[in-house]
Amino acid sequence: RKEVEQDPGPFNVPEGATVAFNCTYSNSASQSFFWYRQDCRKEPKLLMSVYSSGNEDGRFTAQLNRASQYISLLIRDSKLSDSATYLCVVVTGGGNKLTFGTGTQLKVEL
Amino acid sequence: EAQVTQNPRYLITVTGKKLTVTCSQNMNHEYMSWYRQDPGLGLRQIYYSMNVEVTDKGDVPEGYKVSRKEKRNFPLILESPSPNQTSLYFCASRVQRNTGELFFGEGSRLTVL
Repeated sequence: RKEVEQDPGPFNVPEGATVAFNCTYSNSASQSFFWYRQDCRKEPKLLMSVYSSGNEDGRFTAQLNRASQYISLLIRDSKLSDSATYLCVVVTGGGNKLTFGTGTQLKVEL
Repeated sequence: EAQVTQNPRYLITVTGKKLTVTCSQNMNHEYMSWYRQDPGLGLRQIYYSMNVEVTDKGDVPEGYKVSRKEKRNFPLILESPSPNQTSLYFCASRVQRNTGELFFGEGSRLTVL
């Protein structure tokens, strides 16, 4: 089993739709969690951290479920500019090891 | 401007010809790391460094070397490149060991023939 798993997609959604991605992780001792965004052929950039209580940043909501070992990202009112690959990141090893999922591709269409 | 700079951005080379990909950050970050990204495999860590003269292997260190003689620089060395090292390479840095906010360079696309 992979340490971090994501559905690769692509998720093709119309503008204005709500879309959700999940990411599962295998190490129950994982310490912290993040979502990154990567545009085609560009470097990944931090989108948001994921907290146990759930957190929101505008149209984006992140959730952590430690019991089931997954994190989620919800995007409301999708924009064309949200089209990208979304990478989940799990931190272990005292903060030294960051494991990236392979990413979920989102395409928002008119 | 705060940034991580990698060079070269694109390189085509031949098997066995030593090459170095440089990485420099101007944010005074302690932690630096190298990743390679391949289709279907995602980003995989090659080496990381927690500070000057402190380096350690990531998940896929075979065929690579690194050094950290200065805080700002973290070069990746391929002593004898092989075709399976054809990939997109990213250097990244962050301010504290326990944060996940990595700042990435723009990437270096390497092709080994």
